[in-house]
Amino acid sequence: GAGVSQTPSNKVTEKGKYVELRCDPISGHTALYWYRQSLGQGPEFLIYFQGTGAADDSGLPNDRFFAVRPEGSVSTLKIQRTERGDSAVYLCASSLRGGHKVYNEQFFGPGTRLTVL
Amino acid sequence: GENVEQHPSTLSVQEGDSAVIKCTYSDSASNYFPWYKQELGKGPQLIIDIRSNVGEKKDQRIAVTLNKTAKHFSLHITETQPEDSAVYFCAASKEGNEKLTFGTGTRLTIIP
Repeated sequence: GAGVSQTPSNKVTEKGKYVELRCDPISGHTALYWYRQSLGQGPEFLIYFQGTGAADDSGLPNDRFFAVRPEGSVSTLKIQRTERGDSAVYLCASSLRGGHKVYNEQFFGPGTRLTVL
Repeated sequence: GENVEQHPSTLSVQEGDSAVIKCTYSDSASNYFPWYKQELGKGPQLIIDIRSNVGEKKDQRIAVTLNKTAKHFSLHITETQPEDSAVYFCAASKEGNEKLTFGTGTRLTIIP
């Protein structure tokens, strides 16, 4: 079946602009995660959704970052007043989590490369 | 919070030889340890994982070992092939806290 997809694959914007990044998780996966990966580093956690609600948003760096998942499937990461330091690859992952057993396996999308000029 | 350290940062091995990548973690409550392979321009791909109730897991040429007492885990790749060249990341998480904490990555190069 289809994996996690992310759009756009690349986004170039100017400092101060607003951007939206989209993630389509694997069908049936109830958990969705956003990570940010800077050059030469490992992914850093931003936010985790279980269904429609944000179960853990402790990784969001400041209030310019916001994410939604209104119907428990597609998620959008929104960044206001972008800064050059926001330039990174934004990765989305999803996992199957249900019943009495927790499945931790997270499957990643290809990422959106954001460049803020 | 959890801190994961990974080494070496780069590793070059001759084709056919073995490669070993090591990680340590700080939170003794962590109980899930996946390894991801990331190729250029792609997202990380899960290659193997281990839960804290086992000490070793093997899948063909790939194995992972876990030492809970010492809080370290390792990835072993045997009979390396050119297609094993990539960046490898270890990670840790704990049940009830879904976020993965990643190491800084190891760039593995297989020399033909």
